[in-house]
Amino acid sequence: DQQVKQNSPSLSVQEGRISILNCDYTNSMFDYFLWYKKYPAEGPTFLISISSIKDKNEDGRFTVFLNKSAKHLSLHIVPSQPGDSAVYFCAASGSSSSNTGKLIFGQGTTLQVKP
Amino acid sequence: EPEVTQTPSHQVTQMGQEVILRCVPISNHLYFYWYRQILGQKVEFLVSFYNNEISEKSEIFDDQFSVERPDGSNFTLKIRSTKLEDSAMYFCASSYRGPGSGANVLTFGAGSRLTVL
Repeated sequence: DQQVKQNSPSLSVQEGRISILNCDYTNSMFDYFLWYKKYPAEGPTFLISISSIKDKNEDGRFTVFLNKSAKHLSLHIVPSQPGDSAVYFCAASGSSSSNTGKLIFGQGTTLQVKP
Repeated sequence: EPEVTQTPSHQVTQMGQEVILRCVPISNHLYFYWYRQILGQKVEFLVSFYNNEISEKSEIFDDQFSVERPDGSNFTLKIRSTKLEDSAMYFCASSYRGPGSGANVLTFGAGSRLTVL
């Protein structure tokens, strides 16, 4: 049951350049999409979210784009910094009538930002 | 900044033993969750808890698992008889707004690593 997929296990970018992390989903009933960042030995921490009725949400260096027709979203980080090196998880919510607020996560993409 | 705290950070147990993982969610949060991440795999939903009862559970959350909020602050996950495949990082999470009120932003704890030998 892979309703949320992150097909790139890893990404390496140079400091100052743009990082683009991708996520695909299969369930058109999702109402919100969230991105989380995870450092080793820590829990996931929330970065940014987007409603399914929007196509873009921006917060500082982070922008999430949503393409509903393609069932695809992406997280842009610009400029990338070495401290952004972490595992990034895409997550989705709101897929069922018994909506308990659970998040369904993708497999994660490990981002390495090189100085 | 308020945080979700989990104990223990690491527990090693023998197969067949009972394990209790503890969590203290953020104090004004109303919705509570357990997730797990087997090494190298994705973060998987186990169970959600609201108003002192389970609101949803996954296929993973079988009869060997139970959750409790015994005293209004702690939120525990019990595994009755551990199996080798229960070895994973277990994350507790909580949220305030829940479903239907904007994005349900879960705040996660640092996790409890369970190793079953």
